[in-house]
Amino acid sequence: EPEVTQTPSHQVTQMGQEVILRCVPISNHLYFYWYRQILGQKVEFLVSFYNNEISEKSEIFDDQFSVERPDGSNFTLKIRSTKLEDSAMYFCASSGEFNQPQHFGDGTRLSIL
Amino acid sequence: AQSVTQLGSHVSVSEGTPVLLRCNYSSSYSPSLFWYVQHPNKGLQLLLKYTSAATLVKGINGFEAEFKKSETSFHLTKPSAHMSDAAEYFCVVRGGNEKLTFGTGTRLTIIP
Repeated sequence: EPEVTQTPSHQVTQMGQEVILRCVPISNHLYFYWYRQILGQKVEFLVSFYNNEISEKSEIFDDQFSVERPDGSNFTLKIRSTKLEDSAMYFCASSGEFNQPQHFGDGTRLSIL
Repeated sequence: AQSVTQLGSHVSVSEGTPVLLRCNYSSSYSPSLFWYVQHPNKGLQLLLKYTSAATLVKGINGFEAEFKKSETSFHLTKPSAHMSDAAEYFCVVRGGNEKLTFGTGTRLTIIP
């Protein structure tokens, strides 16, 4: 069965540095998403992306964050000038159509020191 | 606006006995509802979905959920628990937009 793959599985970064989290969505999917889960808290929506632009974003997704689909297969989340509170598990998801279920990757654990 | 409430952050059942994980939702739109499972150090796996068709939904690994509009509930059940069912379970709602709203999760422990 096709899978969403995320790399790296664990990223450790110094506070203030930039980090890029990478995702390869399922190949024929058109809708892409990022979520995060701070330890002990709910999974929270960050952003959705369709047709090469952001279709929806949460209040968490401020100017520090950006997303990009640099080629036909990758979908990235960039966090500029990381803060301690950015430490979390970040999940990428994709779906084939708007009303279809979202399929999640295994996540990237981001640790900010 | 939409929200999900999962009653019970921890549930323990004996192997072979029924599982019931409770979920109530609110949504301004006709909702789509999902249950996802997360095993340790793994991603979120879709168990089942409700998208306005049959109210009793069957999923993978013997799990079922029933959509009850009058009670705004979408409880997850399984007739007989297996050790491999031990995991965290999330009830999720999608309203009129794309974003998923997650419940706080229920950790299911299976007692041998």
